[in-house]
Amino acid sequence: DADVTQTPRNRITKTGKRIMLECSQTKGHDRMYWYRQDPGLGLRLIYYSFDVKDINKGEISDGYSVSRQAQAKFSLSLESAIPNQTALYFCATQQGNEQFFGPGTRLTVL
Amino acid sequence: GQNIDQPTEMTATEGAIVQINCTYQTSGFNGLFWYQQHAGEAPTFLSYNVLDGLEEKGRFSSFLSRSKGYSYLLLKELQMKDSASYLCAVSPGDSWGKLQFGAGTQVVVTP
Repeated sequence: DADVTQTPRNRITKTGKRIMLECSQTKGHDRMYWYRQDPGLGLRLIYYSFDVKDINKGEISDGYSVSRQAQAKFSLSLESAIPNQTALYFCATQQGNEQFFGPGTRLTVL
Repeated sequence: GQNIDQPTEMTATEGAIVQINCTYQTSGFNGLFWYQQHAGEAPTFLSYNVLDGLEEKGRFSSFLSRSKGYSYLLLKELQMKDSASYLCAVSPGDSWGKLQFGAGTQVVVTP
């Protein structure tokens, strides 16, 4: 079984809809991250959490919110999706110097 | 602001050596990372440098010069499976673990 899982793997939605992307991990790591990846722009940090009671904004948090329900779960929400939020979204955990990425969620906003 | 630059694409022949350069300008520095990402897959960790010098790990080596804001990833004895995007990332000074990524270098290995 994968250590970092993301659901859904693919999602197509319409402008204005609320969307939640979920991330779960069995690695027991405290630190979790949400990134988006766009062609030519690389990975950009949206939000990060160093433990259950800690939430921090990354470089592109506008239009997004997160919830750290437990050590193992970190969810990303788009309150009102817009087309420029179409991207590949990755969740990651960290231990030491290494970040472990989930398989990604491909989100399309029409 | 933060700025991380690396070439967009490099092509090399199977068995050869390729060097991927990365230059950075960040507010503070907690280390430089290299990740590998195959098409359609998640990034995977390759290396971490925080002190100047060369770190070798099998066919892959990573070099850092903090004074020059410069790193390179060296891939030796290239194999077809090394065709992937290589991502340079820096942890700036304000928070350990918070990474700034470059746009990635697509390496194409030809027979």
